[in-house]
Amino acid sequence: DSGVTQTPKHLITATGQRVTLRCSPRSGDLSVYWYQQSLDQGLQFLIQYYNGEERAKGNILERFSAQQFPDLHSELNLSSLELGDSALYFCASTPGGGRGTEAFFGQGTRLTVV
Amino acid sequence: ILNVEQSPQSLHVQEGDSTNFTCSFPSSNFYALHWYRWETAKSPEALFVMTLNGDEKKKGRISATLNTKEGYSYLYIKGSQPEDSATYLCAFWYNQGGKLIFGQGTELSVKP
Repeated sequence: DSGVTQTPKHLITATGQRVTLRCSPRSGDLSVYWYQQSLDQGLQFLIQYYNGEERAKGNILERFSAQQFPDLHSELNLSSLELGDSALYFCASTPGGGRGTEAFFGQGTRLTVV
Repeated sequence: ILNVEQSPQSLHVQEGDSTNFTCSFPSSNFYALHWYRWETAKSPEALFVMTLNGDEKKKGRISATLNTKEGYSYLYIKGSQPEDSATYLCAFWYNQGGKLIFGQGTELSVKP
């Protein structure tokens, strides 16, 4: 158990809908990262938050947004969903900014858009 | 464009074989190189975090080396076992902008 909790584990929704994925980092970890893994793709970096502030952005679509709350949990909001958004979404956490430390991953949320 | 390349994409070996994989990354703005092991239906778990040129790390039968000047890292598995079957990911910590960028992974299958 990595200590990183993601909910829900599975989500099935229709095109055009909006969903929220939740991530609770390990106790004490300040950074949260979101990754998307589509079929036959590697882990694509979406966004990183550090202590409530957006720190780094990857190839995150404008339809997607994220935030990190004062209690350090993070939410990834996906709107106007398309079939191509079906993927496994992982969050990971690190104690500080993350440079020299390993990332701890949650179990992922499997999103299926139908 | 930050590109982390891993080769081979997949590898099938017999139990007892030794094997190695390559991770190539940009040699500029380097801060750290991570290796992760990802088993099916589980989440990636860190093997090593390497920051210094010439670093060598070892955990049991698995070891890794790092060359930051030429931008590559090798992961070695000595005497592969079926339980080593997994996808091995490397990730490059980009020093400008703080991003942890993953390669596509090498999928290892070890047959008994």
